[in-house]
Amino acid sequence: QKEVEQNSGPLSVPEGAIASLNCTYSDRVSQSFFWYRQYSGKSPELIMSIYSNGDKEDGRFTAQLNKASQYVSLLIRDSQPSDSATYLCAVKDAGGTSYGKLTFGQGTILTVHP
Amino acid sequence: NAGVTQTPKFRILKIGQSMTLQCAQDMNHNYMYWYRQDPGMGLKLIYYSVGAGITDKGEVPNGYNVSRSTTEDFPLRLELAAPSQTSVYFCASSYYGGNTEAFFGQGTRLTVV
Repeated sequence: QKEVEQNSGPLSVPEGAIASLNCTYSDRVSQSFFWYRQYSGKSPELIMSIYSNGDKEDGRFTAQLNKASQYVSLLIRDSQPSDSATYLCAVKDAGGTSYGKLTFGQGTILTVHP
Repeated sequence: NAGVTQTPKFRILKIGQSMTLQCAQDMNHNYMYWYRQDPGMGLKLIYYSVGAGITDKGEVPNGYNVSRSTTEDFPLRLELAAPSQTSVYFCASSYYGGNTEAFFGQGTRLTVV
């Protein structure tokens, strides 16, 4: 199993809908979880970070973490065409021999159509 | 306020040539990372460092070498370039600790012909 795996894409949603992006991870020492957005030809930029079980909301974005199930998700409400990008899930190890290691999933391409 | 600076932005190498991709950060970050991104794919970790003098292999270290002699700099060395190393390379850095985001450089687009 890959260390960090995202739901296969591409994902296409209509403007105004909710986009749901999912990510699972295999390493039990993983402690910090991040969602990055990457526009074509650009560098990744942070959207959300989450460290504790439960939900974290920031504007139209909600991150959800379930450590027991090794699952993290990102919900985008009221999706806009400007949200069209590749979304990358990242997991950071905070203990053991691999502390500091930051591993990314393969990315999910999101397209929001008008 | 430079952040993470990568040089060069673009480079074409011939098979068998060597080169060093430079990465520097001015945020006093302990952690630094090198990734490669192939078209339509996610980021694959090549090497990372949690401080000066400490480096560790990531998922795809073969064909690459790194050093971390200072907190600021984390160069990536390609020896005997191969077409399979054609990719976009990103350097990133973050503060010490788990709950800290990584900041990325603008990337280096490398083509090996």
